[in-house]
Amino acid sequence: QSTLTQPASVSGSVGQSITIPCTVTSSDVGGYKYVSWYQQYPGKAPQLMIYDVSNRPSEVSNRFSGSKSGNTASLTISRLQTEDEADYYCYSYINYNTLVFGGGTKLTVL
Amino acid sequence: EVQLVQSGAEVKKPGESLKISCKGSGYSFTSYWIGWVRQMPGKGLEWMGIIYPDDSDITYSPSFQGQVTISADKSINTAYLQWSSLKASDTAMYYCARGTFSGSSRVRWFDPWGQGTLVTVSS
Repeated sequence: QSTLTQPASVSGSVGQSITIPCTVTSSDVGGYKYVSWYQQYPGKAPQLMIYDVSNRPSEVSNRFSGSKSGNTASLTISRLQTEDEADYYCYSYINYNTLVFGGGTKLTVL
Repeated sequence: EVQLVQSGAEVKKPGESLKISCKGSGYSFTSYWIGWVRQMPGKGLEWMGIIYPDDSDITYSPSFQGQVTISADKSINTAYLQWSSLKASDTAMYYCARGTFSGSSRVRWFDPWGQGTLVTVSS
């Protein structure tokens, strides 16, 4: 059984930077290389923000970046804006039969 | 434009059956996975299963195996999620999403997502 653990909530002030960690617990940690991040506003569908750990779709602001160290991937949002207030989910393909989403993190922009 | 368009909201009674759909356009429907994701009210995203429309290769999440059926009709670029006997606990928003893969990996990321289908099960 594999799980991705995220903090339930994070907060930051306009203009600051925040980081959301996503830690994998799995017997197959070697498969934790395809990590992506999704932003979801209330009542809306999720939107891809980062794929393959650190790649950003062209339409996504360069204030969003991703990284990974060992068992923990992270999403960093720099120069926070009020429009960044949303829920954020990490996702990973672990192995042939294991796809998993993190529990989600609610970002509050103060 | 690549997009997935899902069928409309449904209100059903416990024990009824249901099939919702997800139609892809703007890309080669048979060259990507389609995933189904559940979001219960106020909760997070849960992967239910994926299908490769070209050969209907399907993998279910253990949590949903036997509870739902995933299928696809590649002739009309449409994937489906169905229930044979709904329960009140099936009340949720259901999303489909296109999954990109490479080599032996299944789904490296999901993009784009459908707009969601709200399923309400109530007596």
